[in-house]
Amino acid sequence: NAGVMQNPRHLVRRRGQEARLRCSPMKGHSHVYWYRQLPEEGLKFMVYLQKENIIDESGMPKERFSAEFPKEGPSILRIQQVVRGDSAAYFCASSPGLAGGQEQFFGPGTRLTVL
Amino acid sequence: GDSVTQMEGPVTLSEEAFLTINCTYTATGYPSLFWYVQYPGEGLQLLLKATKADDKGSNKGFEATYRKETTSFHLEKGSVQVSDSAVYFCALGSNNNDMRFGAGTRLTVKP
Repeated sequence: NAGVMQNPRHLVRRRGQEARLRCSPMKGHSHVYWYRQLPEEGLKFMVYLQKENIIDESGMPKERFSAEFPKEGPSILRIQQVVRGDSAAYFCASSPGLAGGQEQFFGPGTRLTVL
Repeated sequence: GDSVTQMEGPVTLSEEAFLTINCTYTATGYPSLFWYVQYPGEGLQLLLKATKADDKGSNKGFEATYRKETTSFHLEKGSVQVSDSAVYFCALGSNNNDMRFGAGTRLTVKP
């Protein structure tokens, strides 16, 4: 059973370009979470999605950032018109979605560098 | 809302020293508590968890006990190794599948 997959592992973009980060959850998991980790900082929650629904996007910047988790295919975190401050590691996690504070399983992360 | 506060560090220890990383939480209801570990250049891995009061989670020599009376879940290890050098995150999971992470504590173990 493959774990959470993220690609690309490393992404370099110039200021003003778009960044697309992909996350395939573990098999059987219907809940996906995105986190951002700035250098030498902790993990910041961005958004929580179920299939075709955004459940909680309270941690996501209102401008330039969007996320989706379509019925088919991976979850996508999209950053438009990237700026240097977007350089960070972006982690995706998934869970089966059962109630009771279930463990989240993390992917290896995508490290975004904005030049 | 629910939150987690953990000792920020960094923490530097010599090999075979005793480790404690403090974690306290604020929550309504009855959350599950977790410790995750992040090795350099990798994602987070679950280290241990406890789902109810007085439960003790343990793994790889690490232990943490869910203390409802002190709202704490401190991480301990009796004898650390160089390979334990990593960032440790305390986390709280509530019934709505939300998870809140502490700021992380960087541990460096020197030979």
